[in-house]
Amino acid sequence: TQLLEQSPQFLSIQEGENLTVYCNSSSVFSSLQWYRQEPGEGPVLLVTVVTGGEVKKLKRLTFQFGDARKDSSLHITAAQPGDTGLYLCAGYLTGSGNTGKLIFGQGTTLQVKP
Amino acid sequence: EAQVTQNPRYLITVTGKKLTVTCSQNMNHEYMSWYRQDPGLGLRQIYYSMNVEVTDKGDVPEGYKVSRKEKRNFPLILESPSPNQTSLYFCASSLYRIKNRSLSGANVLTFGAGSRLTVL
Repeated sequence: TQLLEQSPQFLSIQEGENLTVYCNSSSVFSSLQWYRQEPGEGPVLLVTVVTGGEVKKLKRLTFQFGDARKDSSLHITAAQPGDTGLYLCAGYLTGSGNTGKLIFGQGTTLQVKP
Repeated sequence: EAQVTQNPRYLITVTGKKLTVTCSQNMNHEYMSWYRQDPGLGLRQIYYSMNVEVTDKGDVPEGYKVSRKEKRNFPLILESPSPNQTSLYFCASSLYRIKNRSLSGANVLTFGAGSRLTVL
């Protein structure tokens, strides 16, 4: 059972379209991070959201943390071919028994066609 | 340049032949972690270490060992590799900040480039 459910797992769109990737869980996270991974490389952090309801913008990317800190979304406006890649959400679980554990979603493979 | 270095990057081996994947970071980070990445499953944590001589199991520790004798190094050991350990492995490190009994979201993981392991 995946603790962090990411959807969709695959997305192929045309340049200029908008898209949203979702990351959902029944568990509460102290914070949630979004990473982007290129082929042959390790993931690179895009953003960290910490406060329930928090919204962060990074150029055409908008990240939101759910009020209950159980879910998050990534919205891309006017997608470009350079946005192509694997997007991963990852959350730090709360509780002393979970200290140090960072849980990843399955990832969303995004392809933006010119 | 601040980085996490993994070796080897590619390895093909046979069942039962012990192997070690090395990981080294030059950022003086306290926290280090190993992940495996498999299609449809994302990254799953194998082991992590919050400081020298402190290691803990992640979600999929079976068949793996680690050690943290020095701050900069965190090798992953497969004592008797099996085909189900064929995967892409990533080492990562970060500073270590505790907030409310949970690793702070300010901890930004720096990942290595990955090691692709095939066990025949």
